Amino acid sequence: GESVGLHLPTLSVQEGDNSIINCAYSNSASDYFIWYKQESGKGPQFIIDIRSNMDKRQGQRVTVLLNKTVKHLSLQIAATQPGDSAVYFCAERAGTDKLIFGTGTRLQVFP
Amino acid sequence: EAGVVQSPRYKIIEKKQPVAFWCNPISGHNTLYWYRQNLGQGPELLIRYENEEAVDDSQLPKDRFSAERLKGVDSTLKIQPAELGDSAVYLCASSSRGGASTGELFFGEGSRLTVL
Repeated sequence: GESVGLHLPTLSVQEGDNSIINCAYSNSASDYFIWYKQESGKGPQFIIDIRSNMDKRQGQRVTVLLNKTVKHLSLQIAATQPGDSAVYFCAERAGTDKLIFGTGTRLQVFP
Repeated sequence: EAGVVQSPRYKIIEKKQPVAFWCNPISGHNTLYWYRQNLGQGPELLIRYENEEAVDDSQLPKDRFSAERLKGVDSTLKIQPAELGDSAVYLCASSSRGGASTGELFFGEGSRLTVL
């Protein structure tokens, strides 16, 4: 029911610490992966992407790691700030097929 | 540059009533998407347009949902009649041709529907 959906996995970190958000994807044919950030009351916002021919990609304060062997994706946020508090979704796509979004992880940043 | 604009932001209706949502994508974006997001879950694609053409509507419940994108710009999503289970946030997103291949979708703030 709806109450189950409210219980998002939650990661609580202290401001300044590094955050690691994990995602297990399901389709071994997926060759493209994206992380989105969604703040309360807003639509998802693109953060970073990675193709399956890479295992690591870095952006500004964020790094995405891809392990195709175990179908695992992670998002690392360096020096987490209060503005990073949001729900983070990973999404996967196989070829030109549609994006499939995961359930999401809520990141809470404490001062 | 203006982002994706959606209206209304909130809508409360009784079951069996109709409802419509409107989306204005980013100027120049050929691809437009409608997603439904249930509480605590990721967005799920309902329909994707390339210009005026619906190229993927496999997840759209066609018995009660309809969408159109006349002139390949604005789009409307309609539900008639609404059911209790339709309560969700309806997100519109757009992308340029390059975005469609890279996955960089630009989302609006969504229309939150509550069906009583």
